[in-house]
Amino acid sequence: GAVVSQHPSRVICKSGTSVKIECRSLDFQATTMFWYRQFPKQSLMLMATSNEGSKATYEQGVEKDKFLINHASLTLSTLTVTSAHPEDSSFYICSALPRANTEAFFGQGTRLTVV
Amino acid sequence: AQSVTQPDIHITVSEGASLELRCNYSYGATPYLFWYVQSPGQGLQLLLKYFSGDTLVQGIKGFEAEFKRSQSSFNLRKPSVHWSDAAEYFCAVGPYGGSQGNLIFGKGTKLSVKP
Repeated sequence: GAVVSQHPSRVICKSGTSVKIECRSLDFQATTMFWYRQFPKQSLMLMATSNEGSKATYEQGVEKDKFLINHASLTLSTLTVTSAHPEDSSFYICSALPRANTEAFFGQGTRLTVV
Repeated sequence: AQSVTQPDIHITVSEGASLELRCNYSYGATPYLFWYVQSPGQGLQLLLKYFSGDTLVQGIKGFEAEFKRSQSSFNLRKPSVHWSDAAEYFCAVGPYGGSQGNLIFGKGTKLSVKP
């Protein structure tokens, strides 16, 4: 199957700093990528939909200025958590949808811990 | 409201025993249905999906699921569980004909396997 690489897999940062998470489709082009957040013992919640070359669409309740999404190419989307706080600590996971729109492929996720 | 319910938070089965993980959904239209597996610290792997046609769907790793419209259910089954099946399992629903990246997930069922 298609491979989606997410980097870093784990990151610890200090409160007030920003953290960038990358999501790459390694062997296909993805016009659309999705960012999810997973709280402990909870399900994945869609944060935003990222389309190449256009602004991301955020789900209700997700702060656009805090979670900056950039989809600059057909193989890369980035999520930047700005001015991180401990409550932003979570597991963030992306998925990428190939042009054929058959199924979305998930990255391995990023565990963010803000101290 | 659209939702996915996985009533069992944690299930323990003996290796070699049969398995059934329950999933019920509430959706305003004909849905696409998915089952994913997540190993610790890993991303999601698609086990199987239902779009249309035969309501009994075969997936990878010996899993199958049956779509029952009258019960709004999509339960996952495996006749004989292996120790390597221990993981978290997520049921998800997506819009029929829509983007398959924009999914609504259940809270997951953690599967433990006894030797």
